[in-house]
Amino acid sequence: QKEVEQDPGPLSVPEGAIVSLNCTYSNSAFQYFMWYRQYSRKGPELLMYTYSSGNKEDGRFTAQVDKSSKYISLFIRDSQPSDSATYLCASHTGGFKTIFGAGTRLFVKA
Amino acid sequence: DTEVTQTPKHLVMGMTNKKSLKCEQHMGHRAMYWYKQKAKKPPELMFVYSYEKLSINESVPSRFSPECPNSSLLNLHLHALQPEDSALYLCASSQDSSRGDTQYFGPGTRLTVL
Repeated sequence: QKEVEQDPGPLSVPEGAIVSLNCTYSNSAFQYFMWYRQYSRKGPELLMYTYSSGNKEDGRFTAQVDKSSKYISLFIRDSQPSDSATYLCASHTGGFKTIFGAGTRLFVKA
Repeated sequence: DTEVTQTPKHLVMGMTNKKSLKCEQHMGHRAMYWYKQKAKKPPELMFVYSYEKLSINESVPSRFSPECPNSSLLNLHLHALQPEDSALYLCASSQDSSRGDTQYFGPGTRLTVL
């Protein structure tokens, strides 16, 4: 079992839709949770960073962590074609090693 | 400024060549990382430097040799690579990984080994 599981998609939605991206994890020691966006042939870009459980909002993006169910979510409101990318969830315990999910490919159709 | 720069952007090399990838950050971060990413896969950690000392080597073949000349620079020396080493090589940095600070990635170097 992978430490962080993520459905690779692809996920295709119309412009303006609310997008829900999800991951599960198995390591109870994970304390830090991130979402990265990666455009084709580019490096990952940090979108959201959360410590422990709870919600965090930044513009159209909301990150949610439920440690009781080991579930990580990213919601994108009013999705735009420019949101089309691969979204990677990631976690770590506070040390050097970050564990990434497989990444979900998102396509937002105009 | 949260920028990590990498050079070159693209590199094509033969199996007998020696080349180097370079990474630079000016955010005052004390941890730097090399990752390898194959198409449609997540980044795989290769090396971690903390305060200019090698902290983690994820059992990477010796044909990859990292170097951290100072706190802002990270190199990856390549020698006698194989075609299966073709990938996107990503550099990242974080303020102090022992506190769980998050990593900022560079744009990557796309390496092709012929």
